[in-house]
Amino acid sequence: DGGITQSPKYLFRKEGQNVTLSCEQNLNHDAMYWYRQDPGQGLRLIYYSQIVNDFQKGDIAEGYSVSREKKESFPLTVTSAQKNPTAFYLCASSPRDVGRSEQYFGPGTRLTVT
Amino acid sequence: AQSVTQPDIHITVSEGASLELRCNYSYGATPYLFWYVQSPGQGLQLLLKYFSGDTLVQGIKGFEAEFKRSQSSFNLRKPSVHWSDAAEYFCAVGNPGGSQGNLIFGKGTKLSVKP
Repeated sequence: DGGITQSPKYLFRKEGQNVTLSCEQNLNHDAMYWYRQDPGQGLRLIYYSQIVNDFQKGDIAEGYSVSREKKESFPLTVTSAQKNPTAFYLCASSPRDVGRSEQYFGPGTRLTVT
Repeated sequence: AQSVTQPDIHITVSEGASLELRCNYSYGATPYLFWYVQSPGQGLQLLLKYFSGDTLVQGIKGFEAEFKRSQSSFNLRKPSVHWSDAAEYFCAVGNPGGSQGNLIFGKGTKLSVKP
C-alpha cells in the first residue's frame, strides 16, 4: 500500500538532547513537508522540500533541521536549541509544486521532552 | 498575505442533525481550497478539494463544500451527522500562482456529536 510512514508514534527525550523523527513516503511525490501541531494552534510549517537536496524554511524553522538525500525520505531533527519541542509532528507529501495540490499526511509522531 | 479563518473553535451537534463548518480565506485571486479531517492522535485525511469549475464540491464520507467567491468562503456541510464524524476539521488554502509557499491551514474546528 502506498502512503507515508512516520516513526516512532511516541518519542520521549530528555531536555538538551537532539532527536530525529523519521518520515518515509512511497507515493513517488516530489514535495515533502514537516508541520508542528499544538492545541489550538492549527498546523505550522517547519520545513518543506520540493526536490532532492533542496529544502526551504517554513514559518517556525528555528531549532529544527532537515535533510533530503532521497526522494522517499525527509527526516526532521529537533535540536536542543528548540525551546519548546514537546508537540505533535506531522509529515506530509504532495505530487506537484508546493501550494498547487493536496497534501497527504502521515500518522504523526508525538514528541515529549522532559 | 494569505490567511484562513475558521470562526468556530468547537461545535456540538446532535447525531442526525445537519452540519455546516465555516471557513473564510484571504487571497487576491481564486485559491486552491481544501478541507481535512483529523481524528485524535492521527494524521490529517483529505475530505475534498476545490481547484476550479463547479463551485459545489463533493467529498468523501458524505461531505460537500461550496466555494463562494463573493464571500471568500468555503464552508463544509453534511446533511446528517454520524457519531463517527466527531473529529477536528481543518480548512486550508493553497497558492496556485506562487513560487513559494504551501498550504495555509486554519486553526481548526472541533466537532462533537451528541447521541
